[in-house]
Amino acid sequence: QSALTQPASVSGSPGQSITISCTGTSSDVGGYNYVSWYQQHPGKAPKLMIYDVTDRPSGVSNRFSGSKSGNTASLTISGLQAEDEADYYCTSYTSSSTVVFGGGTKLTVL
Amino acid sequence: QVQLVESGGGVVQPGRSLRLSCAASGFTFSSYGMHWVRQAPGKGLEWVAIISYDGSNKYYADSVKGRFTISRDNSKNTLFLQMNSLRPEDTAVYYCAKDRSTETDFDSWGQGTLVTVSS
Repeated sequence: QSALTQPASVSGSPGQSITISCTGTSSDVGGYNYVSWYQQHPGKAPKLMIYDVTDRPSGVSNRFSGSKSGNTASLTISGLQAEDEADYYCTSYTSSSTVVFGGGTKLTVL
Repeated sequence: QVQLVESGGGVVQPGRSLRLSCAASGFTFSSYGMHWVRQAPGKGLEWVAIISYDGSNKYYADSVKGRFTISRDNSKNTLFLQMNSLRPEDTAVYYCAKDRSTETDFDSWGQGTLVTVSS
């Protein structure tokens, strides 16, 4: 159950687009279309932003989108806004019927 | 709306036990799997365990397997986490989270309860 690999930090200016990667193995990310992304602001509980690789829960802005290629999933945020500054985590279902998180990525809006 | 309220956290000595509870409301508790997720101070999120809607299936992270037990009481809309043989590295905020539908992600979270393992 090794954690998925995410960049420690990414940054972008308001209005720009950024992409956060999430790399796993064929036993998790590459093997299932069960990748999710969560946003967490300091001191708050996480919030589901993307599930099943590409789907958005009701109420989540369409500026957030997800994709996957092989063992790497990605979260793209377009039209960056100040409120997007937060920590982002990916998860994947695994071949052991468990869930594994990525290490998290701190997004800074410049 | 969905509400999840954790309780039972506190300070405990290494090797001792603690039981966390999560009171659920605003949805049909008995129809959904439930998870525990934890976050050590200043660190990332770590999945801990899942229990299926009827309690028949349970899975654990390797880091807690054999020490922690997840359970539920559908008659009381409550989720539990029994934590035995606690270690300092178990110090974290523990969140209960409602499964969205496929036992692979979480669409509602509680506010968490802090567990501190220290002598």
